[in-house]
Amino acid sequence: EAQVTQNPRYLITVTGKKLTVTCSQNMNHEYMSWYRQDPGLGLRQIYYSMNVEVTDKGDVPEGYKVSRKEKRNFPLILESPSPNQTSLYFCASSLEGTGSYEQYFGPGTRLTVT
Amino acid sequence: GESVGLHLPTLSVQEGDNSIINCAYSNSASDYFIWYKQESGKGPQFIIDIRSNMDKRQGQRVTVLLNKTVKHLSLQIAATQPGDSAVYFCAENMRSDTGRRALTFGSGTRLQVQP
Repeated sequence: EAQVTQNPRYLITVTGKKLTVTCSQNMNHEYMSWYRQDPGLGLRQIYYSMNVEVTDKGDVPEGYKVSRKEKRNFPLILESPSPNQTSLYFCASSLEGTGSYEQYFGPGTRLTVT
Repeated sequence: GESVGLHLPTLSVQEGDNSIINCAYSNSASDYFIWYKQESGKGPQFIIDIRSNMDKRQGQRVTVLLNKTVKHLSLQIAATQPGDSAVYFCAENMRSDTGRRALTFGSGTRLQVQP
């Protein structure tokens, strides 16, 4: 089944404790992206990747890192999480590197930073 | 399930009626538009898309209309069913000066279908 998977689905952590949220897609998509979703603010892009080893900042990149060493994986790293990073996170992928086609979303990761 | 918005505009319709969800987009340079459906506890799910060289596109029970003059997008759902209850987002896609492409999402509309 073609899908985008994220792990973990739920995570509660403390301020400053490094964490990684994994994202994997099995559709051989070139484009991958991370979003956060907050009430009243909708979905905002954090980082995106147009292909392996090519990443760039989205609208809200501060406090986050990403890497794209393999085509299928695009982990989101929070080196020193803070409470304002409490949010619902979605990974997405799209067939073509420019992201000009529909994006397929993962199921989401609910992160709480205390 | 996950809450996607505390004070979303809500459209309430009777089962079997047609629904129209509207969206105003922000950038006249946007050339690709998508409607997504998000059910509680799930990620956004693609419904239908339209490119800027079109005014209308139809899918199964859904139609998207694009009015570039007033930067307006609408999603029409025919014979609305209880399973259509969800939050609906429009998204615009454009290429920036740096070559970056990104989806910019609207704040969403909650559709409630009354049996």
